[in-house]
Amino acid sequence: KNEVEQSPQNLTAQEGEFITINCSYSVGISALHWLQQHPGGGIVSLFMLSSGKKKHGRLIATINIQEKHSSLHITASHPRDSAVYICAVQRGSGGSNYKLTFGKGTLLTVNP
Amino acid sequence: KAGVTQTPRYLIKTRGQQVTLSCSPISGHRSVSWYQQTPGQGLQFLFEYFSETQRNKGNFPGRFSGRQFSNSRSEMNVSTLELGDSALYLCASSLYGGLANTIYFGEGSWLTVV
Repeated sequence: KNEVEQSPQNLTAQEGEFITINCSYSVGISALHWLQQHPGGGIVSLFMLSSGKKKHGRLIATINIQEKHSSLHITASHPRDSAVYICAVQRGSGGSNYKLTFGKGTLLTVNP
Repeated sequence: KAGVTQTPRYLIKTRGQQVTLSCSPISGHRSVSWYQQTPGQGLQFLFEYFSETQRNKGNFPGRFSGRQFSNSRSEMNVSTLELGDSALYLCASSLYGGLANTIYFGEGSWLTVV
């Protein structure tokens, strides 16, 4: 079993829909990252969470440390949100234990 | 300010050859990390450098190596290339590599081994 599991693997939505992508992990972490990757390869860091909830525009990320679970929500989805969304967990607080372990990603397609 | 720059963007190599990829971090960033992305395995951590020292290493064979220079620029090298090394290699930089430091990724280097 992978240390980081994402669901769903693929998600198709209509423009305007509310979207949720889930991430579960099985190890102790110091932080969790949500990343966005568009075709062509470039990756953008959306959020880094160690507790609670963060919001940026139409994106909301939450984390429950006790349940080892995080969700990424997109409100009022738009075709430009179409991308692969990747959850990554960070172990250690920097220094010798810094590394990221990634989920397999969720391919989101938003149709107009 | 300029983002993370990786060169070359695309390259084709033959099995058995070696390859060197370069990464210039955002100015002032001292932590540089490298990742391999393949369709089968997804993203995997290769190694991280901070102030010219390798701080952590992923589970890759010794054919994969890297280094960081005093200006924080980093290179990674893959020797004796295998077909399975075909991948997108991504570099990322952050201020110190720890908590509360946003990670910035480069566009990646696409390596094809034939």
